[in-house]
Amino acid sequence: QQKVQQSPESLTVSEGAMASLNCTFSDGTSNNFRWYRQHSAKGLEVLVSIFSDGEKEEGRFTAHLNRANLHVSLHIREPQPSDSAVYLCAVSSNNAGAKLTFGGGTRLTVRP
Amino acid sequence: NAGVIQTPRHKVTGKGQEATLWCEPISGHSAVFWYRQTIVQGLEFLTYFRNQAPIDDSGMPKERFSAQMPNQSHSTLKIQSTQPQDSAVYLCASSLAGGGAEQFFGPGTRLTVL
Repeated sequence: QQKVQQSPESLTVSEGAMASLNCTFSDGTSNNFRWYRQHSAKGLEVLVSIFSDGEKEEGRFTAHLNRANLHVSLHIREPQPSDSAVYLCAVSSNNAGAKLTFGGGTRLTVRP
Repeated sequence: NAGVIQTPRHKVTGKGQEATLWCEPISGHSAVFWYRQTIVQGLEFLTYFRNQAPIDDSGMPKERFSAQMPNQSHSTLKIQSTQPQDSAVYLCASSLAGGGAEQFFGPGTRLTVL
């Protein structure tokens, strides 16, 4: 059964400094990776999706995938206070069908 | 495009009562997913429909929980004899197709069982 873990659990950065979030997964056949953002009492907003090793950029958000190391990361360039939220890593694989397995989340706080 | 619509946004039930949660997927999306989010367990998959047919219910508790999709415009999640441990935010998502298509989430229904 897929296990997805995120680190750190919480992260505080200053406005404008790079924020880096990590996610590890256990199923080496995983092929679909997404980063979501969740503001309090709101639904999930997809930030970036990545399907092959390497880098994928969507605006200020960049995902890096290394399937050999079972690792995917999210880097947020020039974070702003409005980026303060919980960030969730979601993984799926052909073996598991369409369902997403989520990590526990990283709570990001961006200080002005 | 209104996005995925979930009703009600908040529901409070007494222990032992029934709760029905509604989800309206994005028009044209053929896949509907239900997830549950709690502080302790995080966000967990419950069940998934494609073209109204149940495809995967591996995350559904064996008792008291059921889900249906009677038509392409809505799905329901029913919890019978609710218990305090059922308190959670229930999220519905839809996608254009199954497989790896992007899932768009609704705002969720916060269920509180007293």
